[in-house]
This record gives sequence, structure tokens and C-alpha cells, in this order.
Amino acid sequence: KNEVEQSPQNLTAQEGEFITINCSYSVGISALHWLQQHPGGGIVSLFMLSSGKKKHGRLIATINIQEKHSSLHITASHPRDSAVYICAVPVPFQGAQKLVFGQGTRLTINP
Amino acid sequence: GAGVSQTPSNKVTEKGKYVELRCDPISGHTALYWYRQSLGQGPEFLIYFQGTGAADDSGLPNDRFFAVRPEGSVSTLKIQRTERGDSAVYLCASSFATNTEAFFGQGTRLTVV
Repeated sequence: KNEVEQSPQNLTAQEGEFITINCSYSVGISALHWLQQHPGGGIVSLFMLSSGKKKHGRLIATINIQEKHSSLHITASHPRDSAVYICAVPVPFQGAQKLVFGQGTRLTINP
Repeated sequence: GAGVSQTPSNKVTEKGKYVELRCDPISGHTALYWYRQSLGQGPEFLIYFQGTGAADDSGLPNDRFFAVRPEGSVSTLKIQRTERGDSAVYLCASSFATNTEAFFGQGTRLTVV
């Protein structure tokens, strides 16, 4: 079992639909990152959250630390939202941290 | 620029050759990470630097891989005797401290033929 698991692995939806991507983790304690990766490889950090909910434009991220679960929501989805969305959890070691990544969710929004 | 810069963006090399991949972190960021991402997979941790020292190199797959950060800024990932299985996107990220948001470069796509 992966330490960080995302679902679904692939998601195709029509423009305007409400999108939910889930992330469950068995490691880490402090926070969780949601990242967006477009074709070509570049990764952009969307959120880093340690409790509750954060909102940025049409993107909403929630986290439940006790249940070790986070969700990323996209409202009024648009084809430009098509990308791979990755959750990552900082894992402490030797006084420092490294990120453990999920497999990613490939989102395709059709016009 | 203000972001993490990785060069080259693409590298094609022959099996058995030596390659170097460079990462310029955001100025002032003390933590620097290297990750490797194979097709269809999430990134996998390779090595982490805090300042000049490699705080954790447990992710390096074998002794053909080596990374340095001699002055605590630019880092170079070095791969000796490349193999076709080394083909992947190599990502670099930096953060101000170990518990703050990480910023990623665009990656270097390495293809070993």
C-alpha cells in the first residue's frame, strides 16, 4: 500500500462540472501539499494546508488531519484545468522533512 | 528569474555516458530537493540538501547517482554510466526552510538511448 494514495487516477469531465480529487495518507503529521503538473513537467504548488479549508479562485482544498484525508475541489471546471493533480505529504526525518507524493490524478476537462 | 531554474530542459544521451543536471534554487532558499518522475508516476524522492550538506540521500537508486551543492545554492545531480532505465523527468524543488512551501522547477527530461 502506497503511503500517499489518490483517487481517482484518471478523471474526465465536461466543462462546468464540479470536480473532486481525494488523497489519503498514512504518513506525515504536519501538512499536505496539492500540486498541479501540466504537460511538459512543470509543477506548480496550489495549496499547503494543515487544517480546515483553503480557497483560491475556483479551487478549494480541505483536510481532515485526524482521518488523514484531503480533497481538492474545482468548481465550474474549464478545459484549462486539465492537468495532473498531485498531493504530497511532508514526512519528518532527522529534524528535517521530505515530500512523499501520491501517484497523481490525471484530469481532463472537455469543452 | 524569481523561480527555480533547471538546465537543460531536455537531455538525450547514449547509454553509458555521464550526465549532469543543474538546479538553481530561489535565492535564499536553504532547502533543496531532487525528485525523479517516471512516465505516469508521481515524483520519487532522490536527495535533500539543507545548506551545503546532503541531509538525506536515501532516495538515490545506486552509486551511479551523486549530487552536490558546494556553496549552498546551485546543485548538480550527476549520473554516471547512464542506463535506459534512468530515463525520466528529474525535478528540483527548493524551500525557504524545511517546513515551508516548496517551489518546483520545470524539470529536466532525460532520455537515455
